[in-house]
Amino acid sequence: QVQLVESGGGVVQPGRSLRLSCAASGFTFTSHAMHWLRQAPGKGLEWVAVKSFAESYEDYADSVKGRFTISGDSSTNTLYLQMNSLRPEDTAIYYCARDRGVSYRGWFGPWGQGTLVTVSS
Amino acid sequence: DIVMTQSPDSLAVSLGERATINCKSSQSVLYSSNNKNYLAWYQQKPGQPPKLLIYWALTRDSGVPDRFRGSGSGTDFTLTISSLQAEDVAVYYCQQYYSSPQTFGQGTKLEIK
Repeated sequence: QVQLVESGGGVVQPGRSLRLSCAASGFTFTSHAMHWLRQAPGKGLEWVAVKSFAESYEDYADSVKGRFTISGDSSTNTLYLQMNSLRPEDTAIYYCARDRGVSYRGWFGPWGQGTLVTVSS
Repeated sequence: DIVMTQSPDSLAVSLGERATINCKSSQSVLYSSNNKNYLAWYQQKPGQPPKLLIYWALTRDSGVPDRFRGSGSGTDFTLTISSLQAEDVAVYYCQQYYSSPQTFGQGTKLEIK
């Protein structure tokens, strides 16, 4: 079955970097656009970034543009999110999710279980 | 960005009764060329990731019980749970995928009365 497992979260100081991973299984990784989304503690959902391997497309939320980079490795079916210049407001559970639409701007399912990133001094 | 606004913020309903959650978009999410509404609904239980319930505003995802029903068009949408079960306690979110960035409503917390 389709499964997504995130890792790489932790506590990091403001201004530092962190790389998140999302291991995908049960589907052809490069046939679907893949997204990162986040949820601050006790708050709602925010889309962060998308990568479409088939269309060689990627995009970012304004709040992370220029600081975060999404990438993927088709040989290991792994999606990454490189997060640089982290800020306290980046503190959140980060989820990866598969796009279920026809391109790279659809609805999301399934979602991984998430990995918590805490940015604090 | 399209702003999604849900109402109410929280809702308490008795077991077996109907629950209704509303979602309004700041602009239409109906794509005229295919007559589809670019709207999805998710359920998030405590400590779990969101789970897809409905897409295209009214299509239930595989395995979703038929007591969940999506309706609406244009800018106004509704998620209805026809007969509330204990396992339906959760926060529900609507999401538009009509334009980038995809945006979510603030969530509606559903509890048992």
